[in-house]
Amino acid sequence: EIVLTQSPGTLSLSPGERATLSCRASQSVSSNYLAWYQQKPGQAPRVLIYGASRRATGISDRFSGSGSGTDFTLTISRLEPEDFAVYYCQHYGSSPPLFTFGPGTKVDI
Amino acid sequence: QVQLQESGPRLVKPSGTLSLTCAVSGGSISIHDWWSWVRQPPGKGLEWIGEIFHSGSTNYNPSLKSRVTISIDKSTKQFSLNLNSLTAADTAVYYCARIPLSSGWYLDNWGQGTLVTVSS
Repeated sequence: EIVLTQSPGTLSLSPGERATLSCRASQSVSSNYLAWYQQKPGQAPRVLIYGASRRATGISDRFSGSGSGTDFTLTISRLEPEDFAVYYCQHYGSSPPLFTFGPGTKVDI
Repeated sequence: QVQLQESGPRLVKPSGTLSLTCAVSGGSISIHDWWSWVRQPPGKGLEWIGEIFHSGSTNYNPSLKSRVTISIDKSTKQFSLNLNSLTAADTAVYYCARIPLSSGWYLDNWGQGTLVTVSS
């Protein structure tokens, strides 16, 4: 079973700054099955990135994803006030079929 | 835009069974997509419960497999979650979500979530 580790646990930044969030898999995974979500308090998660680097419909180009193998990154180029939230990475494994989420990175002011 | 809405009891007793339904609107339940349940204990992270295809094929999280059943009713455009032998550790917000198989294995549309509390 793939285990996802996210770092840092909390990222304290200011609006306008750049945020770099890391997701590391316990073994090499296909980029096709790596996604990132944003979750604000009291709301359902929202997909930002799928296939490691493809932005989901309606997602600002301030969000970008990159990486391969075991190391993946979500970058928010210029933080807006509405970007302060918790971010999760997610992997889908096919043998056996299993969605795995990382523990999350909280981006706060 | 597909919309999902969870419904079901908010309070269930220990050792009992949790039963939730997800209604799908704004799209078909019978095309290429899988349909999934995810839960989140208060203040904690996300845990995938399982998924179902319109054919009835299912996959479950091995950690919950012995207690979970997911079913689908195409005529009413709903899919359901049953989780038995409940303990306080099953208290969580339960979300239903869609997996858009045509573009990948991720969850692109989510319900608003429903908090289920396990308590006597």
